[in-house]
Amino acid sequence: EAQVTQNPRYLITVTGKKLTVTCSQNMNHEYMSWYRQDPGLGLRQIYYSMNVEVTDKGDVPEGYKVSRKEKRNFPLILESPSPNQTSLYFCASSRIKPGQLEQYFGPGTRLTVT
Amino acid sequence: GQNIDQPTEMTATEGAIVQINCTYQTSGFNGLFWYQQHAGEAPTFLSYNVLDGLEEKGRFSSFLSRSKGYSYLLLKELQMKDSASYLCAVRAVDRSNTGKLIFGQGTTLQVKP
Repeated sequence: EAQVTQNPRYLITVTGKKLTVTCSQNMNHEYMSWYRQDPGLGLRQIYYSMNVEVTDKGDVPEGYKVSRKEKRNFPLILESPSPNQTSLYFCASSRIKPGQLEQYFGPGTRLTVT
Repeated sequence: GQNIDQPTEMTATEGAIVQINCTYQTSGFNGLFWYQQHAGEAPTFLSYNVLDGLEEKGRFSSFLSRSKGYSYLLLKELQMKDSASYLCAVRAVDRSNTGKLIFGQGTTLQVKP
C-alpha cells in the first residue's frame, strides 16, 4: 500500500531534550516536506527536500533540522525543543514531475513540549 | 509577501451546492491545490489546477483564474461526510525556492441536515 508513515504518533517531552520524528514513504517520491499545524495559523512549511541531499527552508525553519540521506526517509530533528514547538506535525511527499505534484500526507505527530 | 485568503467558516445544507473561494498573492505560481482535512486527520488531496479553467472530478470541481489570483472549490450534492476543513495551497516559484507550498488557513465547512 502506498503510504507515508510517521513515528511516533504522539509524544510528550520536556524542554531541551533532543528528539527525532521519523518520516518514510514507499512511493519513490523525490519531494518530501514537513509542516506544522496550529489553530488559527493553518499548515506552515518547516523544511522541504527536492531530492536526496537537497534540503531547503520553508516558512518556519527555526529550531528544526532535517536530513535526506535516502530517498524514502526525511527525519525532523528538534535539537532543543521548546514549548512553542508544541504542535501537530505532518510529513508529506510527492513527485516533482509536472502534473503529478499532489502531496500525500502522513498521519501526523502530535508533539507536546512541557 | 505571500498571502492566501479563504473564508474561515461556511455552513450549508445536505444536498445543496457550496462554493469555497480562495484568493492568493504569491511570488511566482506553479499550481494551486485543494485538500480536504477531517478533524484530527491528515489532509487528503482533492484537486490540482495549473491552467485557467474548471477541473471536474465527481461531485467536486475546482476553478482557477491566474490573472485574478483566484480559485474556488465547488461541492455538489453535499453529504454529511463533507463536513471538514478545506485547504487551498499554492506552489510558489522563485529563484531559490522552487518547492515552497503555501497553505491558506482553511475553510471549515459544516453540513447540516
